Parts: sequence; C-alpha cells; structure tokens
Amino acid sequence: AQTVTQSQPEMSVQEAETVTLSCTYDTSESNYYLFWYKQPPSRQMILVIRQEAYKQQNATENRFSVNFQKAAKSFSLKISDSQLGDTAMYFCAFHAHGSRLTFGEGTQLTVNP
Amino acid sequence: KAGVTQTPRYLIKTRGQQVTLSCSPISGHRSVSWYQQTPGQGLQFLFEYFSETQRNKGNFPGRFSGRQFSNSRSEMNVSTLELGDSALYLCASSLAGQVPRTGNTIYFGEGSWLTVV
Repeated sequence: AQTVTQSQPEMSVQEAETVTLSCTYDTSESNYYLFWYKQPPSRQMILVIRQEAYKQQNATENRFSVNFQKAAKSFSLKISDSQLGDTAMYFCAFHAHGSRLTFGEGTQLTVNP
Repeated sequence: KAGVTQTPRYLIKTRGQQVTLSCSPISGHRSVSWYQQTPGQGLQFLFEYFSETQRNKGNFPGRFSGRQFSNSRSEMNVSTLELGDSALYLCASSLAGQVPRTGNTIYFGEGSWLTVV
C-alpha cells in the first residue's frame, strides 16, 4: 500500500514571495504518477501540476514547479510570485492504478497581502 | 465541455436513513471514483468504477456501495447512516482506460455535503 505524508499542516507566505510545500511518499511501485491539487474554500479540487515518475525532468506550470527526487521519494511544490488567490489547502497525491488517488494530509497555505 | 457534476450539493439526513449521491463524469470519461473527505480522516478513497464494473474498493464498511450505468454516470449509496458519515463526498472522473496504469488526469466535481443528524 502507498502512503503520502505532508509534514507541514500550515504555512504562510507574503504576496509575491516564494514558498515550498513538502511531500514524501512510500511505494513499491515502479511506475506511478504524482499530483498536487489545491482546494480553495469552495472545496473544488483543482489540479495544479502532475509528474510522471519515469520522467527525470521536473514538471513546471507557470508559477508552479516541482522538485521530484525519486530515490528519496520526495515531491515538493514550489510556488513563485505567490498571489492572494493561491490561498488554499494543497494536497499531494499518489496514483498508480486506475483512477485511485492516495492523498496526503494537506497543507493549508495562506498568502498574506 | 461540462465538468464533473455532482447532485445534490447539500443534504441533511437523520441517523438510520439512507442516502444516494449522483455523479455525472466529463463526457467521454469512463472511469468514476468516489472519495470521502472529513476533518479527522482527510481524503479517503471509497471505490472506482470503470465500464459499469467496480475496479477498486477502499476500506469502508458494506454500508457504502456504488454502481455505474452504461452512460458512465455513477451513484453511491450509504445505508443506515451514522453521525460519522457526515462528510464531503467527492466524485472524480478520468479517461483511464482498460489498462489501469494510464496516469490520466483525474478531474473532481464540487462535491456533495452530507450532514447526518
């Protein structure tokens, strides 16, 4: 079974600054995918970024990028130029089979003006 | 293109009753999965359906059941409701094909808020 751990329950950052959210996972799978989802107060789960485990290159999506360390089983999310709209709960998720996701506990990010 | 649609959005039920939640996936998506989100347990996987067959099941009691119709719409049912079943129930859909490990992006609906009193 897979486990996903997010060790930072809460984080805060000033607008326009950079913040990094941590995620570690444990699996015996060799082929898998990792995702970061954000969940604003509306509770809609929104995909932020995805990473295929077989790709060595770290994924980037505009202001969002990941640092994927496969050997260390680490998958952190970096948000650059933080905006007030980035305030949300962020979930790291592991995916290896079908549509089943295993989520971490979440990190509540607050962007302060 | 419409997203994942869940109905009803909010509902209140009494202990012992049963409830049925509905989910319409994105057009063309054949895989539908369900998650329960609570403050104490976080996000937990309930089950996944693909082409009307349950493909994966989480660690929930038999009171939780689901099904998928030929048009890929899915329903989940909770019988004999307990106070602890109060939660946000999220439905997700993807293009996941016959081969499980497709890594397709998984899209979520806005959820159904269930309160059991």
